[in-house]
Amino acid sequence: AQSVTQPDIHITVSEGASLELRCNYSYGATPYLFWYVQSPGQGLQLLLKYFSGDTLVQGIKGFEAEFKRSQSSFNLRKPSVHWSDAAEYFCAVPFSGGYQKVTFGTGTKLQVIP
Amino acid sequence: EPEVTQTPSHQVTQMGQEVILRCVPISNHLYFYWYRQILGQKVEFLVSFYNNEISEKSEIFDDQFSVERPDGSNFTLKIRSTKLEDSAMYFCASTPGDGTEAFFGQGTRLTVV
Repeated sequence: AQSVTQPDIHITVSEGASLELRCNYSYGATPYLFWYVQSPGQGLQLLLKYFSGDTLVQGIKGFEAEFKRSQSSFNLRKPSVHWSDAAEYFCAVPFSGGYQKVTFGTGTKLQVIP
Repeated sequence: EPEVTQTPSHQVTQMGQEVILRCVPISNHLYFYWYRQILGQKVEFLVSFYNNEISEKSEIFDDQFSVERPDGSNFTLKIRSTKLEDSAMYFCASTPGDGTEAFFGQGTRLTVV
């Protein structure tokens, strides 16, 4: 069955440290891949997306993600975390097949400490 | 920049009452969705809507739920007889086409008391 897995439920990093959030997918073909961020009390904002081409994609707020087909992964990275990055991050995959839906991972909650 | 808008931002209703959550998708989008997120849990797909009909629904989307696109701009989710467990954040989303990114609204927080 198609699925998206985020192995880390909660991550704590120090401000200024680097960050990597993991995402693994299970899908028959190369999927489209997204990362969304949900700040406390806010909706879901698209950080970045991968459709095809360059496997390293740049997003907003200094985030990037790398698609690795061999590992079925699409990990989100940021070289230097800011306190405002504290939020919950969701990896998502749209599965098409005559109908539409987006499947989200369970989310990774990021805490940033001074 | 075009965005999906949802109203109200927060709604409190008594158990057993009907509620209608409203969404205005981005104007040239063709696919519309409702998701919900119970506090502390993952975002769950409820239903997708295309060409004026439901294209897919999850097991959560039972007979008490319905969706409608009453005019060219609004997309509504109706819960006929709310239960306590319907308390959640409900997100509307739209996409222009197959497999493209979903644009989400800010959500409506529904509290059933």
